[in-house]
Amino acid sequence: KQEVTQIPAALSVPEGENLVLNCSFTDSAIYNLQWFRQDPGKGLTSLLLIQSSQREQTSGRLNASLDKSSGRSTLYIAASQPGDSATYLCAASSYNTDKLIFGTGTRLQVFP
Amino acid sequence: DTGVSQNPRHKITKRGQNVTFRCDPISEHNRLYWYRQTLGQGPEFLTYFQNEAQLEKSRLLSDRFSAERPKGSFSTLEIQRTEQGDSAMYLCASSSRQGDTEAFFGQGTRLTVV
Repeated sequence: KQEVTQIPAALSVPEGENLVLNCSFTDSAIYNLQWFRQDPGKGLTSLLLIQSSQREQTSGRLNASLDKSSGRSTLYIAASQPGDSATYLCAASSYNTDKLIFGTGTRLQVFP
Repeated sequence: DTGVSQNPRHKITKRGQNVTFRCDPISEHNRLYWYRQTLGQGPEFLTYFQNEAQLEKSRLLSDRFSAERPKGSFSTLEIQRTEQGDSAMYLCASSSRQGDTEAFFGQGTRLTVV
C-alpha cells in the first residue's frame, strides 16, 4: 500500500530565500508524481507533473525532482515571495490504479 | 474551457438530509475522480470513472455515498442521511487517458453538516 509523507509540515521563511520541500513515498512503482498548491479554502492547482521515466521538471521558479530508487521527490522554490504562501501537496499515482495518494502537505509562509 | 467546475461551492445541511454535488470536468477528459479532504489532511480518494464506468471505489465510500457519471460527461456525488462526520471539502478532478495524465482539480464543495 502506497504511503506518502511530506516534511516539514510547516515552514516559515523570509522573502527571497530558496527553499526545498520534501516528499517521500513507500512504493517505488509509481506512474507519476504530481505537486500541487492549495490556498486556504480552495481547490488544488497543479504545479508540476513528473513521469516515472523523468528525473525532474521545471516551471519558472519551481523545480521538482524525482528519485524512484530512494522513494523521494523534492520541490525547489527559488527566490520565494509572499505570494508563494500556501500549502504544497505531493501525490503519487501507481501503474495498477489511477488514483492519487496524497501527503498531508507542507504549509509554507513567506513573510516580507 | 475554464477547467473543472464544481457546484455548489458551499453547502450547509442538517444531519439526516441528503445532498448532491455536481462536477463538470474538462471537456476532453475521460477520467473523473472524487476526493474528500478534511482540515489539515491531504485529499483522500473516493471513487473514479473512466467515461461512464465507475472503475474503483474506496472503502471510505459507505453505502450512503453514491456517484454517477451517466453520459461520461458531468458527474454527481450524493450523500444520503448525512452525518456530522461527512463535513469536509469534496474535490473533483479530471484527467485524460492519453498523454501525461496530469490531474486537474476543481475548487471543491465545502460541506458542513449541522
